[in-house]
Amino acid sequence: GAVVSQHPSWVICKSGTSVKIECRSLDFQATTMFWYRQFPKQSLMLMATSNEGSKATYEQGVEKDKFLINHASLTLSTLTVTSAHPEDSSFYICSAPDRSGYSNQPQHFGDGTRLSIL
Amino acid sequence: KQEVTQIPAALSVPEGENLVLNCSFTDSAIYNLQWFRQDPGKGLTSLLLIQSSQREQTSGRLNASLDKSSGRSTLYIAASQPGDSATYLCAVRLDNQGGKLIFGQGTELSVKP
Repeated sequence: GAVVSQHPSWVICKSGTSVKIECRSLDFQATTMFWYRQFPKQSLMLMATSNEGSKATYEQGVEKDKFLINHASLTLSTLTVTSAHPEDSSFYICSAPDRSGYSNQPQHFGDGTRLSIL
Repeated sequence: KQEVTQIPAALSVPEGENLVLNCSFTDSAIYNLQWFRQDPGKGLTSLLLIQSSQREQTSGRLNASLDKSSGRSTLYIAASQPGDSATYLCAVRLDNQGGKLIFGQGTELSVKP
């Protein structure tokens, strides 16, 4: 079946570092991907919608200059957390619909990236 | 604004028991509802997807129902097993354009042997 691969799975870095997270659709093309953030014991909150070949759409309250999203191909979206600080420590997870624009397909999620900023 | 609520937040049951997890949403204008399982520190595994026109979906010991007019969905787990222990999330999809999901807070299930 369709698989979404996310890398890395775990990152620990110093405050001020920029961190890039990759999300790949392995056996299907995804013109749209979604980036979510999950704090401990909380649910997933949508951060942004990544659109292939165009600018990402950010949810209210999410800083576009801090969370840079690039969707340069039909199988890859990247999220870069720029100048990360301890409050950015969270679980970041991406998803892609199996066929973009069709509501009868389930969402497929990556395994997530646990980001810890010291 | 669509809000999704799951009750209870946590549930502990003995092995073999049948159980029901609840999900409610405030805006009935949804395209579908999806139930997921999340193991600690892991990503999401899709369990069941119910289209807005459907009433229920079944997969093995799992049965999910949807009552769109009342804004409710339930996930029924039959003959629970310790391996069912995880957090269960429901999420609604609002539109047919791209497919962003609104998630509930989850129910943390523990099945004791």
